[in-house]
Amino acid sequence: DAKTTQPPSMDCAEGRAANLPCNHSTISGNEYVYWYRQIHSQGPQYIIHGLKNNETNEMASLIITEDRKSSTLILPHATLRDTAVYYCIVRVVRNAGNMLTFGGGTRLMVKP
Amino acid sequence: DGGITQSPKYLFRKEGQNVTLSCEQNLNHDAMYWYRQDPGQGLRLIYYSQIVNDFQKGDIAEGYSVSREKKESFPLTVTSAQKNPTAFYLCASSTSGYTDTQYFGPGTRLTVL
Repeated sequence: DAKTTQPPSMDCAEGRAANLPCNHSTISGNEYVYWYRQIHSQGPQYIIHGLKNNETNEMASLIITEDRKSSTLILPHATLRDTAVYYCIVRVVRNAGNMLTFGGGTRLMVKP
Repeated sequence: DGGITQSPKYLFRKEGQNVTLSCEQNLNHDAMYWYRQDPGQGLRLIYYSQIVNDFQKGDIAEGYSVSREKKESFPLTVTSAQKNPTAFYLCASSTSGYTDTQYFGPGTRLTVL
C-alpha cells in the first residue's frame, strides 16, 4: 500500500492561496491521489482526485509531479471556512474493493 | 435531497452493552463503509460492503459486526467485545467502480460510560 506524508499543520492568511503538499513516493502506476477535508466533528468531504494530470474543480486544484511521487492541493483564495484537516490519500485496491486509507492529514488554519 | 444519514449524532451507553449505529443512503450506491476515528487521528476502516448480503472485514473489525440486508442500509453493531468503543464513527458510500468517490455521513459520536 502506498503511504502518504503530509505536514501536521499549516497556516494561511485569508484570501491568499493555500498550498498543501503531500509525498507519496511509493505510489503505483494505477493508484489515484485523492484529497478530502474534515471540518471539526463532521464527516470528511471529498475535494478532488487525479491520476497523473493536473486537475481543477470549483473547490481546488491538484498538481501532481511528473514522477507522481508528490502532489500539491491548492485552495486559490482561502477563507475562514476552509479551516479543516486535509487528507491526502492514495487509493488502495483490495479484493476489487474501493478502499481509502486515511493518515494524520494536515491541519490548515486560515487566519484573518 | 440525496445523501447519507447517520443516527443518532451522539450516543451514550454503559460498558458491556451492545449498541447499533444506523447508516442509511439514498444515493443508490452499491458500496458502503464504516470507519472509526479517535481524537486527533485519521480514519480506520472497520467493515465494508460492496453489494447486498456481502461484507468484508477492514483493518479493525474485532469487536464489531455489520449486516447488509438492503442496499440502502448498513448498520454497525459495537459489541461488548470491543475494548475501547468510545470514538467517532463514520459511514460512507460509493458506487462500485474503481475510481469512485466515497461520500461520508455526518458521523455518530459514541461514548461508553
